[in-house]
This record gives sequence, C-alpha cells and structure tokens, in this order.
Amino acid sequence: AQSVAQPEDQVNVAEGNPLTVKCTYSVSGNPYLFWYVQYPNRGLQFLLKYITGDNLVKGSYGFEAEFNKSQTSFHLKKPSALVSDSALYFCAVRDGNTPLVFGKGTRLSVIA
Amino acid sequence: ETGVTQTPRHLVMGMTNKKSLKCEQHLGHNAMYWYKQSAKKPLELMFVYNFKEQTENNSVPSRFSPECPNSSHLFLHLHTLQPEDSALYLCASSRDGTGIYEQYFGPGTRLTVT
Repeated sequence: AQSVAQPEDQVNVAEGNPLTVKCTYSVSGNPYLFWYVQYPNRGLQFLLKYITGDNLVKGSYGFEAEFNKSQTSFHLKKPSALVSDSALYFCAVRDGNTPLVFGKGTRLSVIA
Repeated sequence: ETGVTQTPRHLVMGMTNKKSLKCEQHLGHNAMYWYKQSAKKPLELMFVYNFKEQTENNSVPSRFSPECPNSSHLFLHLHTLQPEDSALYLCASSRDGTGIYEQYFGPGTRLTVT
C-alpha cells in the first residue's frame, strides 16, 4: 500500500527567506504526487502535481517541487516566502488505481 | 472560489438525528469524493464516485450513507452518529477518477455530534 510522510509538523521561516516543506513517499508503482494548501476555515487548494516528465514542477503562487525518484521525495519549495504563505500544506500520493493518500500536513509559519 | 460548494457550512446534531450534507460542483467534473478531516489525523478518504458509480468505500461505518444522483451532486446522509464522528467533512471533485487530475475541494461542513 502507498504511504506518504511529512516529517515536520511545523516549519518556521522568515519572510523573504527560501522555504522547504518536506515529503517522502512509498508506492509500488509509478507515483502520482500532489501538493495542496489549506488556509483557515477553507478546503484544500491544489498547488502542483507530478505525473510524468520533467522532475521539476512549477505551480501556483511561485511554488515548485522536485521529484526525486532515488530518494522517493517530493519536497515543496519557494525561493522567497511571504507572510500570506502561512497555512497548512499537504503532500499526497497515489499509484495506478489506488486512492489518493494524504500526509498529515505541515504547518508553515512565515514571520515578518 | 474553487467551483465546489457545500451546505451547510456548520451542523450540530444529536446522536439520534438524521441529517444530510450536500455538495455541488460547477466544473463539469465526473468524479466526486467525500473526505473526513479530524484534528491531528491525516485526511481520510471515505467514498469515491466516478461517473455516478461508487468506486471506493474506505471501510466507512454504515451510519454514513452516500448518494450521487448525477455527476454534479453528492450527498452524505447521516444517522445515529457518534461523538467521534465530529469533524470537518470535505467534498472534492476531479475531471475523472483516473488519478492524474487534481481534486478541487469545497470549503467543508463542520459537523459536531452532541
């Protein structure tokens, strides 16, 4: 069965600094990988995905993620953090016909 | 907004009540999903419908009963719930159920069972 791990419950970063939110996964086949963000009292919003092709994926709001097959990772990055990026971030994975599995989430706090 | 609406946004119900949650998507999608989001737990998939057919029931107790009358509407019928069922219930849709398309989420219904 597939699984996804977000090793950090909380990430704190100063505004203007680069940010990284970590995600590792385990699947039996080729992974479909997603990042979602959740703001308070809202549903999840799609940021970006990797299905196939270029390992570096660019998404909404200046976010990007790199698919690393050898390390089974899909870390979310942004070169310069904004206070408005503060939210809960979820990594998700599936393979083939299996349902999407979400990580437990990482709370990002960007400090002015 | 995401094009997925959910009503009501908040619901308080007793354990003997019967209520229903409604989800509607305006995106022309063919797959719809129910998720449960509890504090300190990962998002839990409950049900999946693809082209109005239920394709996934993730061992959900029978006190939760889904209904998908068409590709735009999804309901979750609730009866004799337990306090541990209190959570945020999220509806989502995607172009289809193949898994390559991202999901669009509604704002959720915050359910409290007393």
